[in-house]
Amino acid sequence: GQQLNQSPQSMFIQEGEDVSMNCTSSSIFNTWLWYKQDPGEGPVLLIALYKAGELTSNGRLTAQFGITRKDSFLNISASIPSDVGIYFCAGQRFWLGSQGNLIFGKGTKLSVKP
Amino acid sequence: DGGITQSPKYLFRKEGQNVTLSCEQNLNHDAMYWYRQDPGQGLRLIYYSQIVNDFQKGDIAEGYSVSREKKESFPLTVTSAQKNPTAFYLCASRGTGDTGELFFGEGSRLTVL
Repeated sequence: GQQLNQSPQSMFIQEGEDVSMNCTSSSIFNTWLWYKQDPGEGPVLLIALYKAGELTSNGRLTAQFGITRKDSFLNISASIPSDVGIYFCAGQRFWLGSQGNLIFGKGTKLSVKP
Repeated sequence: DGGITQSPKYLFRKEGQNVTLSCEQNLNHDAMYWYRQDPGQGLRLIYYSQIVNDFQKGDIAEGYSVSREKKESFPLTVTSAQKNPTAFYLCASRGTGDTGELFFGEGSRLTVL
């Protein structure tokens, strides 16, 4: 099946640091989405991207739809403690017989440095 | 408030028992989905339904069953045939159109004793 490679798998942050994570695929996608999940809760949509090259911000979050349509990145500037959680990328593409279902990366777990 | 409601939040089951997880949405969305989440595995699609009275298997449908008798409801039954049912289960919905944006419920954690 199709896969999204999300990296890093985990990272530790210190308050005030900038954070960057990305997703890559061997397939082209029409839509890229970024979600955040807090422990024991469902994922919440952060940013949706619909066009190659698109750069979209949501407060301290910035995400880009790669120009090749095979990748996307998410940046968090000036991190704060409530940024901890798991971040998922998801891609959508349509092909013969598909329902346009999302394919998810395995997540990037953000934790606070001890 | 509009949203997706999953219940129960926590569920314990003995081996050999079937259990049903509830998912209700008042977003008027046509499509509904069930995902399973295991640590480090991301989200895996179990079943989905694009319209009432119709549903399709996802990537890991074995040992699960669903129904879609009403637009707002998409219950998932974890049967005794599911070999490793302990997991976090997430229900999601999506409106018409091709935007792809899924909205998730808060999840149900099933533990098999």
